[in-house]
Amino acid sequence: ETGVTQTPRHLVMGMTNKKSLKCEQHLGHNAMYWYKQSAKKPLELMFVYNFKEQTENNSVPSRFSPECPNSSHLFLHLHTLQPEDSALYLCASSQEAGSIAEAFFGQGTRLTVV
Amino acid sequence: KNEVEQSPQNLTAQEGEFITINCSYSVGISALHWLQQHPGGGIVSLFMLSSGKKKHGRLIATINIQEKHSSLHITASHPRDSAVYICAVKYSGGGADGLTFGKGTHLIIQP
Repeated sequence: ETGVTQTPRHLVMGMTNKKSLKCEQHLGHNAMYWYKQSAKKPLELMFVYNFKEQTENNSVPSRFSPECPNSSHLFLHLHTLQPEDSALYLCASSQEAGSIAEAFFGQGTRLTVV
Repeated sequence: KNEVEQSPQNLTAQEGEFITINCSYSVGISALHWLQQHPGGGIVSLFMLSSGKKKHGRLIATINIQEKHSSLHITASHPRDSAVYICAVKYSGGGADGLTFGKGTHLIIQP
C-alpha cells in the first residue's frame, strides 16, 4: 500500500463509451501524474498537475481529458478511445512537481478497449 | 533522443543467487530512480540516487556519474523478488516531471 489509490483496477470499454479513471492520495502531496504503460514500452508521462494546475501535457490526444478538482484527487476522462489505447494507466504523486523527491505510484487501472 | 537502456531485459535465476541489473543513460542527470513493479501493476520506489551508493535490506544501488551508469544488486535473492525492475532518470534541466524510463528488467527467481 503506497497511499495512492486508483479505481477501478480493471476496465473494459467499447470505443463509443465514456468512462473515467480515478486517483486519490492523502499523503499531502501537491503534484499528481498520469502515466501510460503499454506492453513492451517504457512508462510514458501523460499529464502533470502541480497545486491543481496542469503543468504538462505530453502531446496526449484529446480523447484523454484530465481533471484535478483538488490536490488529493485526479481523474482521467476517457471517450471514443481506440484499441491501441489499451494499456495500464498509472497515477503517481509527489511532494511537488519539478523536485527530485520520491514519487508514490498507485496500483494502476488495466484498460482494455474493444 | 535521451534514452535509458537497461540490461538484461529478462533474467531468470535460482533462489539465493546474487543479481545485478544495469542501467545506462545518455546525458547528465540530477537523479536516478530504481522502481519495482509487481505483476499486479503497482510500482514501488526502491531508491533515488544522485551519487554513490545506497543500501536497503538485501538491495544495493550504485551510480557512477562519470560513466552514466547505475546498477541494482539483490543479495540472497528470493522468489518474492520476482518483479519488473525499472530505471528512471531525471535529466538535468528537465521539465516539471522530466523522468525518462527504461523498458524494465523482468526478473524471475525460481525456488
